[in-house]
Amino acid sequence: EAQVTQNPRYLITVTGKKLTVTCSQNMNHEYMSWYRQDPGLGLRQIYYSMNVEVTDKGDVPEGYKVSRKEKRNFPLILESPSPNQTSLYFCASSLMRGQPQHFGDGTRLSIL
Amino acid sequence: DQQVKQNSPSLSVQEGRISILNCDYTNSMFDYFLWYKKYPAEGPTFLISISSIKDKNEDGRFTVFLNKSAKHLSLHIVPSQPGDSAVYFCAASITSGTYKYIFGTGTRLKVLA
Repeated sequence: EAQVTQNPRYLITVTGKKLTVTCSQNMNHEYMSWYRQDPGLGLRQIYYSMNVEVTDKGDVPEGYKVSRKEKRNFPLILESPSPNQTSLYFCASSLMRGQPQHFGDGTRLSIL
Repeated sequence: DQQVKQNSPSLSVQEGRISILNCDYTNSMFDYFLWYKKYPAEGPTFLISISSIKDKNEDGRFTVFLNKSAKHLSLHIVPSQPGDSAVYFCAASITSGTYKYIFGTGTRLKVLA
């Protein structure tokens, strides 16, 4: 089954404790992206990657890092999480840039 | 600065009637527009898209209209069904550039049986 898998689905953690949210797709997609969803703000793009080793900033990249060492994986790294990063996060992928994206089911992060 | 706006946070429609969801944008460089549907506890799913070279695209019960001069697009669902109840997001992109996607804030559609 074609899918985008995010882990964990839920996480409660504390300020400053580094965390990684993994994202994996099994569709051999080139384009991958991370979004956060906040009430009243919709989905905002954090980072995206057009292929292996090619990443770029979205609209809200501050406080986040990403890497794309393999085509299927695109982890989101919060080096020093802060409460304003409490949000619902989605990973997405598409066959190539400019195509509709497939989304994972989301990761709800709470940073205390 | 919200480049993609969905000014109606919610909409209720009777089953069988038409649902019209609206989206406005400010950046005239956007040339690719998409609609996604989102159910609770799931990720958004792609519904329909339109390129700026067209003014209409149809897929079954779903039609998207694009008015470039007004910088406005709309999604029509006819006939509306209870299973269409969800949050709908419009999104825009500049395909020749950075391939960033800008999403609207979403409209919650409720189709009443």
